Amino acid sequence: AQSVTQPDIHITVSEGASLELRCNYSYGATPYLFWYVQSPGQGLQLLLKYFSGDTLVQGIKGFEAEFKRSQSSFNLRKPSVHWSDAAEYFCAVGALYGNKLVFGAGTILRVKS
Amino acid sequence: EAQVTQNPRYLITVTGKKLTVTCSQNMNHEYMSWYRQDPGLGLRQIYYSMNVEVTDKGDVPEGYKVSRKEKRNFPLILESPSPNQTSLYFCASSPRQTSQPQHFGDGTRLSIL
Repeated sequence: AQSVTQPDIHITVSEGASLELRCNYSYGATPYLFWYVQSPGQGLQLLLKYFSGDTLVQGIKGFEAEFKRSQSSFNLRKPSVHWSDAAEYFCAVGALYGNKLVFGAGTILRVKS
Repeated sequence: EAQVTQNPRYLITVTGKKLTVTCSQNMNHEYMSWYRQDPGLGLRQIYYSMNVEVTDKGDVPEGYKVSRKEKRNFPLILESPSPNQTSLYFCASSPRQTSQPQHFGDGTRLSIL
């Protein structure tokens, strides 16, 4: 069965500190992986995506993610968090054809000053 | 500007009163989809459409209907809403392949009393 696990429901980090949000997936075919961010009252914005090639992908707003096939993981990182990064983050997996995305339950990021 | 537009953004209604949430995209995308977002569950797919007159059930289709008579529009219909359909709903669209990210609307918050 296809599934995405985000083990951390809430994470709190200090402004300026580094951040890592975890994502593990279970998928029968070649996974195509995404991270989305949702600010309060807003829709989902794509941060980055991975299809193939270099396993370290760069996204918008200074985020990056690393695909590790052996660990079935696609963790999101940022070296220095800003207060404006406080939001909910979703990891998702899909197939090349079919377009369905399977989402994780989300991780709420709080940033303390 | 590329957009997925949902209406209404907020709706409070009563059990059994039929309602329709509209979704329109201006990107000529073939694929459109509806998700519901519930705390702790992430986003779950309700219905999707691969093109005009082609629709199929997602993971949680019970109590919902959709139609795709035109490429740009994909309305979500609740024929007899019930309180367990109180949720935040998102419409999304993308070109045929998942290699292109899904664009999300800003969401519709439905409260069924």
